[in-house]
Amino acid sequence: AQSVTQPDIHITVSEGASLELRCNYSYGATPYLFWYVQSPGQGLQLLLKYFSGDTLVQGIKGFEAEFKRSQSSFNLRKPSVHWSDAAEYFCAVGSNDYKLSFGAGTTVTVRA
Amino acid sequence: ETGVTQTPRHLVMGMTNKKSLKCEQHLGHNAMYWYKQSAKKPLELMFVYNFKEQTENNSVPSRFSPECPNSSHLFLHLHTLQPEDSALYLCASSQERRGYQPQHFGDGTRLSIL
Repeated sequence: AQSVTQPDIHITVSEGASLELRCNYSYGATPYLFWYVQSPGQGLQLLLKYFSGDTLVQGIKGFEAEFKRSQSSFNLRKPSVHWSDAAEYFCAVGSNDYKLSFGAGTTVTVRA
Repeated sequence: ETGVTQTPRHLVMGMTNKKSLKCEQHLGHNAMYWYKQSAKKPLELMFVYNFKEQTENNSVPSRFSPECPNSSHLFLHLHTLQPEDSALYLCASSQERRGYQPQHFGDGTRLSIL
């Protein structure tokens, strides 16, 4: 069975600063990896996904993530955060059947 | 994104009430899912439907009863709920029931049990 760990429960970052959210996964085969964002009162929106190929993946809203097989990681980055990036971020790993396992999430606060 | 619509957005009910949550997807997807999101816990998969057939019941108590009349609609019937059932219930859909298919989520129903 697969699992996901997001080590940081809460991150505070200044507007305009860079952001990196950590994600570690456990899965025996080639993982399908996703990052989702959830703004208050809303559902989850897909930011980006990785299946194979280039290990640096570009997503929406200026986010990117890098897959590192040796470290079982799929960290999310953004060079310069905006106040609207304040939200909860979820990393997820999909298995060969259909199950999507989510991490517990990282809450991002953006200060002016 | 309005691809997956959930109603109602908020629901307050007593422990003896019966209510239903509705989910509708306009994406032409064949798989639909119910998740429970509780504070500070990972999303919990409850049910999976593929081409209207239930393929997963993740040990969900019988007080939750899903229904999928067609590939576009999914219901969650609720009865005799407990206070610990208060949570955000999210519906999602994907093109196929495959791990590499991104799931598209609705905005959820915030359920409060009195």
